[in-house]
Amino acid sequence: GIQVEQSPPDLILQEGANSTLRCNFSDSVNNLQWFHQNPWGQLINLFYIPSGTKQNGRLSATTVATERYSLLYISSSQTTDSGVYFCAVVTNAGKSTFGDGTTLTVKP
Amino acid sequence: NAGVTQTPKFQVLKTGQSMTLQCAQDMNHEYMSWYRQDPGMGLRLIHYSVGAGITDQGEVPNGYNVSRSTTEDFPLRLLSAAPSQTSVYFCASSISGGLQETQYFGPGTRLLVL
Repeated sequence: GIQVEQSPPDLILQEGANSTLRCNFSDSVNNLQWFHQNPWGQLINLFYIPSGTKQNGRLSATTVATERYSLLYISSSQTTDSGVYFCAVVTNAGKSTFGDGTTLTVKP
Repeated sequence: NAGVTQTPKFQVLKTGQSMTLQCAQDMNHEYMSWYRQDPGMGLRLIHYSVGAGITDQGEVPNGYNVSRSTTEDFPLRLLSAAPSQTSVYFCASSISGGLQETQYFGPGTRLLVL
């Protein structure tokens, strides 16, 4: 099956810093999403981005489907950004695969 | 809309017991799925459904059964619980097929099998 690799596995930032999270995938996908899992375990949709670039406030994402990677940018990080960021892909067979996530800790 | 709801929030089972995790959505979504999340890992797909009456296996289906008799409900059954099934279970839904749509997740069910 398709492989999804996220890097880095852990990231510690000082409040106000910027960061880039990466998601590599091993095959063509129909759908790619970024999620944030907060410290209470809730999964929150950030972006649906099978290709191109999207921005939402301090967050933006870019997917280069032909090169099989996606990037999530967090600017001016805040302590509330802490949690685990997951990349998930869906192939044309309809099955979704998650990466193992990047755990982000933002210190005040 | 309540979105995606899951019950119970927490459950403790003894090995060999059976139970059903409930999942419901009120958004008229065709696509529903179940995932498990083990500590330090991403979510792994257990079963999914592209519509009422249609289900299929995901990455880790063994030990779990599902059915989809209505669009709204997608219960997950553990027939004989094992300690390896201790995990957090998430249900998700999307408008159609899961291919081109955002998935929405329920709050999760934390299951401990002793």
